[in-house]
Amino acid sequence: GEDVEQSLFLSVREGDSSVINCTYTDSSSTYLYWYKQEPGAGLQLLTYIFSNMDMKQDQRLTVLLNKKDKHLSLRIADTQTGDSAIYFCALGDTDKLIFGTGTRLQVFP
Amino acid sequence: DARVTQTPRHKVTEMGQEVTMRCQPILGHNTVFWYRQTMMQGLELLAYFRNRAPLDDSGMPKDRFSAEMPDATLATLKIQPSEPRDSAVYFCASGLSTSGRGLFYEQYFGPGTRLTVT
Repeated sequence: GEDVEQSLFLSVREGDSSVINCTYTDSSSTYLYWYKQEPGAGLQLLTYIFSNMDMKQDQRLTVLLNKKDKHLSLRIADTQTGDSAIYFCALGDTDKLIFGTGTRLQVFP
Repeated sequence: DARVTQTPRHKVTEMGQEVTMRCQPILGHNTVFWYRQTMMQGLELLAYFRNRAPLDDSGMPKDRFSAEMPDATLATLKIQPSEPRDSAVYFCASGLSTSGRGLFYEQYFGPGTRLTVT
């Protein structure tokens, strides 16, 4: 089955950039997603990238996809305390998505 | 503002008791997912329905867990008997699927039910 791995924790200073990484084993996904989970809430779609793209920018968010290395990353520019959350990458070729292990981002002043 | 609703939001029960969690998917959505989230295991898929038919429940302990969709507006997850290791946050998510491959799919998550079994 598909394995989707993320580092567990990331701590950054407010105003710095955050980079959250995701590696996967199966490259058949047409879309790759990033979900955000704020404390006490469910996951919410943050952004996504189509598999034939290398990069997608959406305001402070930049998604990079390296299909050769099976590596997906999410860069958050000018990280704010409100960005503190757990971030999940997700992929899949059907309505059943495979979620990564999640990265807990902590932003300190 | 369409949302997935889950009840109860919190449940504390004693070991051996039956627990039923309910989910109302977004109106018009035809897929429903049940997930369990713990610190140790992360987010685990327990069960998955499309058009009310169960497609995958391989992540669910069959001896004590059951998932059903009595109708299109209600999904239930039942644990009987409950055990302390079932303590977790249980999420329901819904989505709209055309059963095709290579399409964009978004899952909409509910706020979760935090279950504590003592």
